[in-house]
Amino acid sequence: QKEVEQNSGPLSVPEGAIASLNCTYSDRGSQSFFWYRQYSGKSPELIMSIYSNGDKEDGRFTAQLNKASQYVSLLIRDSQPSDSATYLCAVNGAGGTSYGKLTFGQGTILTVHP
Amino acid sequence: SAVISQKPSRDICQRGTSLTIQCQVDSQVTMMFWYRQQPGQSLTLIATANQGSEATYESGFVIDKFPISRPNLTFSTLTVSNMSPEDSSIYLCSTGQGGAYEQYFGPGTRLTVT
Repeated sequence: QKEVEQNSGPLSVPEGAIASLNCTYSDRGSQSFFWYRQYSGKSPELIMSIYSNGDKEDGRFTAQLNKASQYVSLLIRDSQPSDSATYLCAVNGAGGTSYGKLTFGQGTILTVHP
Repeated sequence: SAVISQKPSRDICQRGTSLTIQCQVDSQVTMMFWYRQQPGQSLTLIATANQGSEATYESGFVIDKFPISRPNLTFSTLTVSNMSPEDSSIYLCSTGQGGAYEQYFGPGTRLTVT
C-alpha cells in the first residue's frame, strides 16, 4: 500500500513568517514529487515539482527532497494571507502499473494571519 | 499548461440515477485521470484513461459503477452510475503533461446526491 503522509495541521503562522510543510512517502522507488495548493472550493493548483535530491526554489517557495529519508518538504517564505489554503503533497508512481499515477497526502491546512 | 474544462460544474441528482461528467482539454494529451475528492478529504484516483485502450481502475473502483470513455486525445467522460448519497463528492479530471508527468486539474464537478 503506497502511502503519503503529511504533517498534521492545521498550521497557523503570522504574516511574514516561514511556513514549513512536511511529507513522507512509503514507495522508495518514487521518482517525482509535487506540491499542490488548493483554495476552498477550487481545484488543486500545481505550485512546485521536484525530482532530484536537494532544494528547488521558485520565488517564495522552496521544495526540498531527501530520497534516502523518503521525505519532501515545502517552505513558504514571507507568508502572506493569500497563502492560506490546503497544501497537498503528491508522489508519482515508481513505474509499471503505477506509472504516471499520483498518490496524494491528506493535506495540510495553512492559515496565515495578519 | 493545457486548459481543462469540465461539465457540469455542479449538479444535484436523485438516488439511483446516473450522471455523466465531461472533461475537455484544449490540446492533445496521452494520459487523463479521474479523481474523487470527498468532503474534507484529499484526492483519490479512480482510474486512468488512455486513448485507444480500456480505462485502468484503482482498487475499490469498478467499471460498472464508474464507466469511462476516451474517444480521442482531447476528451473523456466519467459516468457515476446508480448513485447513492455516498457518491456525493467533487470529481476532477487531470492530464499528465510536462516534466515527469506533472498533472494539471480541471475545475471539478461538485455532485450532490439526495
